[in-house]
Amino acid sequence: SQQGEEDPQALSIQEGENATMNCSYKTSINNLQWYRQNSGRGLVHLILIRSNEREKHSGRLRVTLDTSKKSSSLLITASRAADTASYFCATSTAGKSTFGDGTTLTVKP
Amino acid sequence: DVKVTQSSRYLVKRTGEKVFLECVQDMDHENMFWYRQDPGLGLRLIYFSYDVKMKEKGDIPEGYSVSREKKERFSLILESASTNQTSMYLCASSFWAGSTGELFFGEGSRLTVL
Repeated sequence: SQQGEEDPQALSIQEGENATMNCSYKTSINNLQWYRQNSGRGLVHLILIRSNEREKHSGRLRVTLDTSKKSSSLLITASRAADTASYFCATSTAGKSTFGDGTTLTVKP
Repeated sequence: DVKVTQSSRYLVKRTGEKVFLECVQDMDHENMFWYRQDPGLGLRLIYFSYDVKMKEKGDIPEGYSVSREKKERFSLILESASTNQTSMYLCASSFWAGSTGELFFGEGSRLTVL
Protein backbone atom coordinates (compact mmCIF):
# COMPACT_ATOMS: atom_id res chain seq x y z
CA SER A 1 0.00 0.00 0.00
CA GLN A 2 1.10 3.59 -0.50
CA GLN A 3 2.96 5.38 2.27
CA GLY A 4 1.03 8.57 1.70
CA GLU A 5 -2.69 8.67 1.14
CA GLU A 6 -4.46 11.82 0.11
CA ASP A 7 -7.98 12.79 1.03
CA PRO A 8 -10.29 13.62 -0.63
CA GLN A 9 -9.64 11.84 -3.92
CA ALA A 10 -11.44 14.61 -5.78
CA LEU A 11 -12.39 18.15 -4.87
CA SER A 12 -14.43 20.66 -6.87
CA ILE A 13 -14.70 24.31 -5.78
CA GLN A 14 -15.48 27.74 -7.16
CA GLU A 15 -12.79 30.25 -8.02
CA GLY A 16 -11.92 32.33 -4.99
CA GLU A 17 -12.68 29.59 -2.47
CA ASN A 18 -10.03 27.85 -0.42
CA ALA A 19 -9.04 24.24 -1.11
CA THR A 20 -7.79 21.89 1.58
CA MET A 21 -6.20 18.53 0.89
CA ASN A 22 -5.01 16.06 3.49
CA CYS A 23 -2.30 13.44 3.49
CA SER A 24 -1.77 10.60 5.94
CA TYR A 25 1.27 8.39 6.12
CA LYS A 26 2.40 5.35 8.05
CA THR A 27 6.06 5.45 9.04
CA SER A 28 8.61 7.96 10.32
CA ILE A 29 9.73 10.51 7.78
CA ASN A 30 12.58 12.96 7.19
CA ASN A 31 10.37 15.38 5.35
CA LEU A 32 7.11 15.64 3.45
CA GLN A 33 6.68 17.32 0.11
CA TRP A 34 3.72 18.41 -1.97
CA TYR A 35 3.70 18.26 -5.76
CA ARG A 36 1.33 19.38 -8.45
CA GLN A 37 0.64 17.61 -11.75
CA ASN A 38 -1.23 19.09 -14.67
CA SER A 39 -3.05 16.53 -16.79
CA GLY A 40 -0.65 14.37 -18.79
CA ARG A 41 2.46 16.20 -17.57
CA GLY A 42 5.24 15.64 -15.06
CA LEU A 43 5.07 16.62 -11.41
CA VAL A 44 6.21 20.01 -10.17
CA HIS A 45 7.49 20.53 -6.64
CA LEU A 46 5.44 22.97 -4.55
CA ILE A 47 6.74 22.91 -1.00
CA LEU A 48 8.80 20.81 1.42
CA ILE A 49 8.23 20.64 5.18
CA ARG A 50 10.76 18.97 7.45
CA SER A 51 9.80 16.60 10.23
CA ASN A 52 10.71 19.19 12.89
CA GLU A 53 8.53 21.89 11.32
CA ARG A 54 4.80 22.34 11.97
CA GLU A 55 3.76 24.88 9.39
CA LYS A 56 5.14 26.44 6.26
CA HIS A 57 3.90 29.07 3.82
CA SER A 58 4.67 29.79 0.20
CA GLY A 59 2.54 32.39 -1.56
CA ARG A 60 -1.07 31.12 -1.50
CA LEU A 61 0.04 27.74 -0.14
CA ARG A 62 0.03 26.74 3.50
CA VAL A 63 1.25 23.34 4.62
CA THR A 64 0.94 21.86 8.08
CA LEU A 65 2.55 18.74 9.47
CA ASP A 66 1.50 16.78 12.54
CA THR A 67 4.01 14.00 13.11
CA SER A 68 2.09 12.66 16.11
CA LYS A 69 -0.90 12.01 13.86
CA LYS A 70 1.25 11.24 10.82
CA SER A 71 -0.70 13.70 8.73
CA SER A 72 -0.22 16.81 6.64
CA SER A 73 -2.55 19.28 4.98
CA LEU A 74 -2.16 21.56 1.99
CA LEU A 75 -4.31 24.69 1.88
CA ILE A 76 -4.59 26.73 -1.31
CA THR A 77 -6.17 30.08 -0.59
CA ALA A 78 -8.15 32.20 -3.05
CA SER A 79 -8.09 29.46 -5.66
CA ARG A 80 -7.91 30.19 -9.37
CA ALA A 81 -8.99 28.16 -12.39
CA ALA A 82 -5.28 27.67 -13.15
CA ASP A 83 -4.95 25.72 -9.88
CA THR A 84 -6.90 22.87 -11.48
CA ALA A 85 -4.54 19.89 -11.27
CA SER A 86 -3.74 16.79 -9.25
CA TYR A 87 -1.87 17.28 -6.01
CA PHE A 88 0.36 14.65 -4.43
CA CYS A 89 2.08 14.35 -1.11
CA ALA A 90 5.40 12.51 -0.95
CA THR A 91 7.11 11.25 2.17
CA SER A 92 10.88 10.91 2.25
CA THR A 93 12.73 8.27 4.19
CA ALA A 94 16.24 6.93 3.67
CA GLY A 95 16.74 8.77 0.43
CA LYS A 96 13.55 7.64 -1.28
CA SER A 97 10.29 9.46 -1.86
CA THR A 98 6.98 7.61 -1.73
CA PHE A 99 3.88 9.16 -3.27
CA GLY A 100 0.20 8.85 -2.54
CA ASP A 101 -2.59 8.54 -5.10
CA GLY A 102 -3.24 12.27 -5.23
CA THR A 103 -6.19 14.63 -4.95
CA THR A 104 -7.72 15.92 -8.16
CA LEU A 105 -8.71 19.55 -7.71
CA THR A 106 -11.10 21.27 -10.09
CA VAL A 107 -11.55 25.01 -9.74
CA LYS A 108 -14.55 26.31 -11.62
CA PRO A 109 -14.32 29.85 -13.02
CA ASP B 1 16.22 26.12 -14.59
CA VAL B 2 16.71 22.42 -14.01
CA LYS B 3 15.63 20.39 -16.94
CA VAL B 4 14.85 16.70 -16.99
CA THR B 5 14.25 15.47 -20.50
CA GLN B 6 12.62 12.18 -21.36
CA SER B 7 13.34 11.02 -24.88
CA SER B 8 9.83 10.02 -25.94
CA ARG B 9 6.47 11.39 -24.86
CA TYR B 10 4.48 8.59 -26.47
CA LEU B 11 5.54 5.10 -27.50
CA VAL B 12 3.62 2.14 -28.85
CA LYS B 13 5.37 -1.23 -28.70
CA ARG B 14 4.43 -4.85 -29.21
CA THR B 15 4.53 -7.59 -26.60
CA GLY B 16 8.02 -9.06 -26.37
CA GLU B 17 9.84 -6.05 -27.77
CA LYS B 18 12.79 -4.51 -25.95
CA VAL B 19 12.04 -0.95 -24.90
CA PHE B 20 14.47 1.79 -23.89
CA LEU B 21 13.28 4.89 -22.06
CA GLU B 22 15.94 7.56 -21.82
CA CYS B 23 16.19 10.35 -19.29
CA VAL B 24 18.74 13.18 -19.21
CA GLN B 25 19.15 15.90 -16.58
CA ASP B 26 21.28 18.99 -16.96
CA MET B 27 21.94 20.06 -13.35
CA ASP B 28 24.64 17.61 -12.26
CA HIS B 29 22.24 15.87 -9.86
CA GLU B 30 23.56 12.78 -8.13
CA ASN B 31 20.18 11.09 -7.67
CA MET B 32 17.95 9.84 -10.44
CA PHE B 33 14.69 7.89 -10.22
CA TRP B 34 12.23 6.04 -12.42
CA TYR B 35 8.55 5.87 -11.40
CA ARG B 36 5.51 4.49 -13.11
CA GLN B 37 2.12 6.09 -12.63
CA ASP B 38 -1.16 4.21 -12.96
CA PRO B 39 -4.69 5.34 -12.12
CA GLY B 40 -5.60 4.44 -8.56
CA LEU B 41 -2.06 3.33 -7.75
CA GLY B 42 -0.25 6.65 -7.64
CA LEU B 43 3.46 6.79 -8.42
CA ARG B 44 5.48 3.66 -7.71
CA LEU B 45 9.26 3.61 -7.63
CA ILE B 46 10.87 1.19 -10.06
CA TYR B 47 14.60 1.86 -9.69
CA PHE B 48 16.84 4.65 -8.49
CA SER B 49 20.48 5.57 -8.64
CA TYR B 50 22.69 7.67 -6.37
CA ASP B 51 25.74 7.69 -8.61
CA VAL B 52 27.19 6.58 -11.91
CA LYS B 53 27.05 2.82 -12.42
CA MET B 54 25.10 2.47 -9.19
CA LYS B 55 21.48 1.27 -9.02
CA GLU B 56 19.02 0.28 -6.34
CA LYS B 57 15.73 -1.57 -6.67
CA GLY B 58 12.61 0.35 -5.81
CA ASP B 59 9.23 -1.10 -4.93
CA ILE B 60 8.38 -2.71 -8.29
CA PRO B 61 11.61 -3.63 -10.14
CA GLU B 62 10.36 -6.86 -11.70
CA GLY B 63 10.44 -6.80 -15.47
CA TYR B 64 12.71 -3.74 -15.59
CA SER B 65 16.39 -2.96 -15.57
CA VAL B 66 18.31 0.33 -15.59
CA SER B 67 21.59 1.73 -16.77
CA ARG B 68 23.54 4.73 -15.58
CA GLU B 69 26.80 5.01 -17.51
CA LYS B 70 26.99 8.80 -17.23
CA LYS B 71 25.89 11.05 -14.39
CA GLU B 72 23.36 12.93 -16.48
CA ARG B 73 21.67 9.93 -18.10
CA PHE B 74 19.48 7.24 -16.54
CA SER B 75 17.87 4.66 -18.81
CA LEU B 76 14.99 2.34 -18.05
CA ILE B 77 14.92 -0.92 -20.00
CA LEU B 78 12.04 -3.30 -20.52
CA GLU B 79 13.75 -6.47 -21.74
CA SER B 80 10.54 -8.03 -23.03
CA ALA B 81 7.58 -5.68 -22.88
CA SER B 82 4.26 -7.01 -21.63
CA THR B 83 0.78 -5.50 -21.74
CA ASN B 84 0.81 -4.92 -17.96
CA GLN B 85 3.70 -2.52 -18.47
CA THR B 86 1.42 -0.12 -20.31
CA SER B 87 1.75 2.97 -18.16
CA MET B 88 3.05 6.51 -17.75
CA TYR B 89 6.76 6.46 -16.86
CA LEU B 90 8.23 9.41 -15.02
CA CYS B 91 11.91 10.15 -14.55
CA ALA B 92 13.08 12.43 -11.74
CA SER B 93 16.35 13.75 -10.36
CA SER B 94 17.44 15.43 -7.15
CA PHE B 95 20.53 17.15 -5.82
CA TRP B 96 21.29 15.86 -2.35
CA ALA B 97 23.23 12.66 -2.24
CA GLY B 98 22.10 10.34 0.55
CA SER B 99 19.05 12.43 1.30
CA THR B 100 15.94 13.52 -0.51
CA GLY B 101 15.36 17.06 -1.50
CA GLU B 102 13.15 18.46 -4.18
CA LEU B 103 12.51 16.06 -7.03
CA PHE B 104 12.60 17.46 -10.56
CA PHE B 105 10.45 15.49 -12.98
CA GLY B 106 10.47 15.04 -16.70
CA GLU B 107 7.28 15.36 -18.73
CA GLY B 108 6.67 11.63 -18.73
CA SER B 109 6.68 8.87 -21.34
CA ARG B 110 3.36 7.22 -22.00
CA LEU B 111 4.01 3.66 -23.12
CA THR B 112 1.38 1.44 -24.68
CA VAL B 113 2.21 -2.24 -25.13
CA LEU B 114 -0.05 -4.06 -27.57
